Amino acid sequence: RKEVEQDPGPFNVPEGATVAFNCTYSNSASQSFFWYRQDCRKEPKLLMSVYSSGNEDGRFTAQLNRASQYISLLIRDSKLSDSATYLCVVNPGGSYIPTFGRGTSLIVHP
Amino acid sequence: GAGVSQSPRYKVAKRGQDVALRCDPISGHVSLFWYQQALGQGPEFLTYFQNEAQLDKSGLPSDRFFAERPEGSVSTLKIQRTQQEDSAVYLCASSLIGLNEKLFFGSGTQLSVL
Repeated sequence: RKEVEQDPGPFNVPEGATVAFNCTYSNSASQSFFWYRQDCRKEPKLLMSVYSSGNEDGRFTAQLNRASQYISLLIRDSKLSDSATYLCVVNPGGSYIPTFGRGTSLIVHP
Repeated sequence: GAGVSQSPRYKVAKRGQDVALRCDPISGHVSLFWYQQALGQGPEFLTYFQNEAQLDKSGLPSDRFFAERPEGSVSTLKIQRTQQEDSAVYLCASSLIGLNEKLFFGSGTQLSVL
């Protein structure tokens, strides 16, 4: 089982839709969590950190569920420009090397 | 420049050729990571430096892969006797201090081995 797992998608949604992605992790001692966005043929860029209490940044909401060992990303009112791959990153206990999921592809269509 | 810089942006190598990929992190960033990203996959960890010390190289796929950061700033990833399976995008990332911080990525080097 991979340390960090994501549904690769693609998630194909119309503009204005609400879409949510989950990311599961295997190491219960994991310390910190992030969502990155990666556009086609570009480098990953930080979208948001994920805090234990949950956090919101505009249309984006990130949550952490330690009991079930997953993080989530909710995007409200999807825009065409939200089309990208969303990577979750988990810093597991022990080595603390940031570990990436394979990414979830989102396509927002008119 | 303000960001992480990688060169070359693209590299085509013949099988068996040696290649060297360069990463210039953000000035003052202590931590530097190399990742390998295959098409349709997430970045896979290769190696990690804290200043000039290589603290983790557990992700290097074989002894053909070697990385260094001799003065604690610029890093070079070298691949000897390249194979077709080495074809991927090689991403370099840096962070200010430790491992629990956000990463800043370079644009990557796309390596194609023919």
